[in-house]
Amino acid sequence: AQKITQTQPGMFVQEKEAVTLDCTYDTSDPSYGLFWYKQPSSGEMIFLIYQGSYDQQNATEGRYSLNFQKARKSANLVISASQLGDSAMYFCAMRDVTGANSKLTFGKGITLSVRP
Amino acid sequence: KAGVTQTPRYLIKTRGQQVTLSCSPISGHRSVSWYQQTPGQGLQFLFEYFSETQRNKGNFPGRFSGRQFSNSRSEMNVSTLELGDSALYLCATRGLANTGELFFGEGSRLTVL
Repeated sequence: AQKITQTQPGMFVQEKEAVTLDCTYDTSDPSYGLFWYKQPSSGEMIFLIYQGSYDQQNATEGRYSLNFQKARKSANLVISASQLGDSAMYFCAMRDVTGANSKLTFGKGITLSVRP
Repeated sequence: KAGVTQTPRYLIKTRGQQVTLSCSPISGHRSVSWYQQTPGQGLQFLFEYFSETQRNKGNFPGRFSGRQFSNSRSEMNVSTLELGDSALYLCATRGLANTGELFFGEGSRLTVL
């Protein structure tokens, strides 16, 4: 079974600073994908970044980067130059990529508040 | 390009009633998944449909059901509502990229009184 762990309490960061949101995972699947989603108060889950288990390099998407440490089973999200609009819930998720199904297993999420 | 559309956005029901939620996927997306989000349990997978067939199912009682139509639109139904069914119900469609990221709607917030 797949499991995602996000244990940080609410996180605070000053505007324009960088912040790291932690995620550890557990799976017996050899091939898997790791995702980060942002959920603002509107409720919509917004896809941020993806890392495949066999990807050699850490994924980056604009101000988002994923610090992937496979041996430690961690996939931390780094947000650089934080903006007020980054205040939201952030979810780490995993999917088994060997099958055709789309099921994602989510962590409990982390609340990020950006201070002006 | 229109996103995932869920209706209704908000609804209030009483215990014992039933509810139907609708999801219109992004054009061209054929896989539709449903998730339940509660403060206590977080995001939990309900089921996934692809080409009108249920492809995967989560660990929910039979009161939760769904279906998909030929135009890929999907509905989920919850019968005999319980207080614990109060939640945000999110629909997601799978993108065409190999990464398989999901695109979510804004959800239907159900309150059961």
